[in-house]
Amino acid sequence: SQQGEEDPQALSIQEGENATMNCSYKTSINNLQWYRQNSGRGLVHLILIRSNEREKHSGRLRVTLDTSKKSSSLLITASRAADTASYFCATVKTSGSRLTFGEGTQLTVNP
Amino acid sequence: GAGVSQSPSNKVTEKGKDVELRCDPISGHTALYWYRQSLGQGLEFLIYFQGNSAPDKSGLPSDRFSAERTGGSVSTLTIQRTQQEDSAVYLCASSVRDTAYEQYFGPGTRLTVT
Repeated sequence: SQQGEEDPQALSIQEGENATMNCSYKTSINNLQWYRQNSGRGLVHLILIRSNEREKHSGRLRVTLDTSKKSSSLLITASRAADTASYFCATVKTSGSRLTFGEGTQLTVNP
Repeated sequence: GAGVSQSPSNKVTEKGKDVELRCDPISGHTALYWYRQSLGQGLEFLIYFQGNSAPDKSGLPSDRFSAERTGGSVSTLTIQRTQQEDSAVYLCASSVRDTAYEQYFGPGTRLTVT
């Protein structure tokens, strides 16, 4: 089964609204990363948060990590139509060498 | 600077043929990864190269799949005797050192096996 599971699977909002996506995982991690994918091709790295961090910001993005609940959230504020994409969380286990991806959230921002 | 590049961008092949997919990582990145993404799915890890260490091949789905990385730079993923279920987008990524760092992805190769 996937190490990371995103929730919801699909999200549709209006431009200007905030979008929140959640990710849950099963095992202890070294870090958790969020990626964006447009049109089913290459992924773009958004934010990396390490296991000893609780919150990180990057522009309109805010990521939180709760290791006690094994969950993370990605908040996109003041969304734009250009934010329409699939968003994936990916985890690196404490003792692992690979990045394990969830199945993603499809975000649609309507103009 | 230049990002990760992959070639070809699209490949259509007949069932049973062999294919080679190429990845050029970002210069200076010691770690290189291959993933596979089937239609509407998340990414499936295939293989991970880190410097001169033995690669982590644990994600390769069968012995028809192999990969090599020559001179610590360019990598080739080879699929022998392709099957229709091999149809997917194959993505390559590199990172500056290891999985503790963000990965930079190439645009992918869309493989279609007919």
